[in-house]
Amino acid sequence: EAQLVESGGGLVQPGGSLRLSCAASGFAFSNYSMVWVRQTPGKGLEWISYISSSSATIFYADSVKGRFTISRDNAKNSLFLQMNSLRAEDTAVYYCARRYYDFDYWGQGTLVTVSS
Amino acid sequence: EIVLTQSPATLSLSPGERATLSCRASQSVGKYLAWYQQKPGQAPRLLIYNASNRATGSPARFSGSGSGTDFTLTISSLEPEDFAVYYCQQRSNWPLTFGPGTKVDIK
Repeated sequence: EAQLVESGGGLVQPGGSLRLSCAASGFAFSNYSMVWVRQTPGKGLEWISYISSSSATIFYADSVKGRFTISRDNAKNSLFLQMNSLRAEDTAVYYCARRYYDFDYWGQGTLVTVSS
Repeated sequence: EIVLTQSPATLSLSPGERATLSCRASQSVGKYLAWYQQKPGQAPRLLIYNASNRATGSPARFSGSGSGTDFTLTISSLEPEDFAVYYCQQRSNWPLTFGPGTKVDIK
């Protein structure tokens, strides 16, 4: 069965950077587009970035455009999110998810806390 | 950006009762509406895609209907494990957006 495991979260100061990783297994990773979705404490879900299977198409939410960069390594079955210029409002649990029609498999999430 | 509105915010029901959750879009999303279930400490789980198709592993008591701007998720008879938060999500237009959620709790 498909499995996604995020890593790389933690505590970072405002203005700092962090790189999240998502390790995929149990499916043909290179055939699927992927997304990052975050969830702020006590609030709902926010899609933040999309990458197509070949990396040819990438989209970002306005809230992270210019600060976050999504990428993938199909040879290593891995998805990444480089987060720069972090703000307090970026504090959230970050999920990677597989996109097939909608988001059919999710990781367990990794917590990013932006605070001084 | 397409805004999704869910109602009610909270639904208090007893096991065995029928639950009807609503999701309304600020503009047409066609059939491109999904429903997710989320329990505390867990990732969301896809229940319904394309408005009415059950995802793999989604029990038959869950059904979705609607098109355009008005959608409904129905749980025919609530099981104890169904008490959770339910989100709708559209993939008709970028950015992809989620509704604020409906919490189904035990009466």
